[in-house]
Amino acid sequence: AQTVTQSQPEMSVQEAETVTLSCTYDTSESDYYLFWYKQPPSRQMILVIRQEAYKQQNATENRFSVNFQKAAKSFSLKISDSQLGDAAMYFCAYDTGANSKLTFGKGITLSVRP
Amino acid sequence: EPEVTQTPSHQVTQMGQEVILRCVPISNHLYFYWYRQILGQKVEFLVSFYNNEISEKSEIFDDQFSVERPDGSNFTLKIRSTKLEDSAMYFCASTWTRNNEQFFGPGTRLTVL
Repeated sequence: AQTVTQSQPEMSVQEAETVTLSCTYDTSESDYYLFWYKQPPSRQMILVIRQEAYKQQNATENRFSVNFQKAAKSFSLKISDSQLGDAAMYFCAYDTGANSKLTFGKGITLSVRP
Repeated sequence: EPEVTQTPSHQVTQMGQEVILRCVPISNHLYFYWYRQILGQKVEFLVSFYNNEISEKSEIFDDQFSVERPDGSNFTLKIRSTKLEDSAMYFCASTWTRNNEQFFGPGTRLTVL
């Protein structure tokens, strides 16, 4: 079974600084998809960024980028120029090519200091 | 912008009662999901639904649970004989194709007393 591990329960960053959130996963599949979802206090799940495993290029979405290391099964999220609105729970998630269900990590709580 | 909606936002029920959680997925989406999140824990997959049938279900999704798409727009999760441990946030999600972004609804908070 696939597993997703987020070992850091909490992180804090100063406004305007950069922070990296870690995620590792375990799978025997070669075709899969990785996601970072944000869950603010409203608890709505919002997609931050998506990465296809067959693409070597790291996905980027404005201030958000990933460092995808397929051999190491690592998928970290970098948030640049952190803003107060970035404060939330962030979940790393894995989706297999075949079954298309999301397997989530435990999440990390990010706080942003003004 | 289209969005997934869920009703009610909060449901309180007595243990042993049946509840129906309702979702309206985005209209052109074909794949539908239910997830749950017990307070303070990770989001867990319950069931996926495609072409009017269950594609996959987790171990959590036992005979107590059922899903339906009764009218081509609504997607419901029924929990028969609720237990205290069913208290959680239930999220509906939809997508137009596999492995694409799943769009989540705002969730229904279920409290079982």
